[in-house]
Formats: sequence, C-alpha cells, structure tokens
Amino acid sequence: AQSVAQPEDQVNVAEGNPLTVKCTYSVSGNPYLFWYVQYPNRGLQFLLKYITGDNLVKGSYGFEAEFNKSQTSFHLKKPSALVSDSALYFCAVRDWIKAAGNKLTFGGGTRVLVKP
Amino acid sequence: NAGVTQTPKFQVLKTGQSMTLQCAQDMNHEYMSWYRQDPGMGLRLIHYSVGAGITDQGEVPNGYNVSRSTTEDFPLRLLSAAPSQTSVYFCASSLNRDNSPLHFGNGTRLTVT
Repeated sequence: AQSVAQPEDQVNVAEGNPLTVKCTYSVSGNPYLFWYVQYPNRGLQFLLKYITGDNLVKGSYGFEAEFNKSQTSFHLKKPSALVSDSALYFCAVRDWIKAAGNKLTFGGGTRVLVKP
Repeated sequence: NAGVTQTPKFQVLKTGQSMTLQCAQDMNHEYMSWYRQDPGMGLRLIHYSVGAGITDQGEVPNGYNVSRSTTEDFPLRLLSAAPSQTSVYFCASSLNRDNSPLHFGNGTRLTVT
C-alpha cells in the first residue's frame, strides 16, 4: 500500500522568509510524487511533480521540492514566501508499479499562513 | 476554457435520499476520478475511470455508484444518503492514466441531515 504523511497541520512564516512544507511517503516500488495547492472554496491546483531524474524539481509560482530517496521525503520549499502563498498544501504519491491508473494517495494537508 | 465542471456547488439532503453529483470535462481526458475531502484526512479516492465504459473502485466506494458512458461525463450517485457522507466532493481528470497532473473541479459541498 502507498501512504503519505504531512507531519505539520499548520506552518506559520513571515513574508519574505523561506517556506518549507514537509512530506514523507511510503511505497513498495518507485514513487511518483506530487504537490498540490488549494485556495479557499476551490479545487486543488497542480504545483509540481517528481517522476525520475534530478532530485530538485521546480514548479509553479516559485516553488520547488527536493526528493530524498533515503529519507523517503519530498519537502516543498519556497525561498521567499508571499502573503498570497497562504493556502492548504497537499502532498500525493503514486506507486508506479502497484497502483493502476492515475490513483494518487494524498496526505492530510498542511495549512500555510504567511504573515505580512 | 471550462476545464472540469461540477454541479451543484452546494446540496443538502435528508438521510435516505438519493442524488447525482455531476462532473464534466472538456479536455478530452482519458482518466477521471472522484475524491471526498474531510478535515485532517486529505482526499480519499471513491471511484475512478480509465476510459469510457471502464470504472473501478477506489479507497472508499461504499454507498456510491459511478458510470462513464462518454469521455466527457463521470457522474457520482449517492444511493441512500447517510450523515457519514457529509463532505466536500471533488471530481478530477487527467490526460492519461499515468503520471499526468490531475485537474480538479471546484467541488460540491454536501450536507446530509
């Protein structure tokens, strides 16, 4: 079975400071990893994904994520947070061998609050 | 450019009533799915479809039915609503069944009393 853990329910950061949202995963095969963001009363929006290759993945709105196979982690980062980055962030995983179709397993979400 | 359209946006049902949540996409996506979102639990997969005429169960399928008669539409049916089905429901689609990103609708907030 595949699973995702987001250990922090909420992350508070001052505008202009670095932002990190943590994610660890568990799969029996090789992982496909994703980050999505959700703004109030909206569906999730895709930020970035890791399939293979470079461990540092760059995505939308200045976000990036680092894949660490030994620590089974895929933390989301932004060098300088904006107030408009305040939202709910979800990490998701798919086991590319075991999971049929495009079945993603999502973490519980981390709320990010960026204060001016 | 509509993307994924869900209707209705809000719905209140009484226990035992049935209803259908509509989902349509105009991107010719092969893969479609339904998730429910509950506080602290992330999104859980209810049913999914890898193409017209093909559906399968996800993580929490009990109490829900789906069909996929066309590429564009993927309705979710609640057969006999229960308070435990109070949730926000999201439909999502992707270009193929592999690792292409999911495109989400804006959700349907369902309350069962």
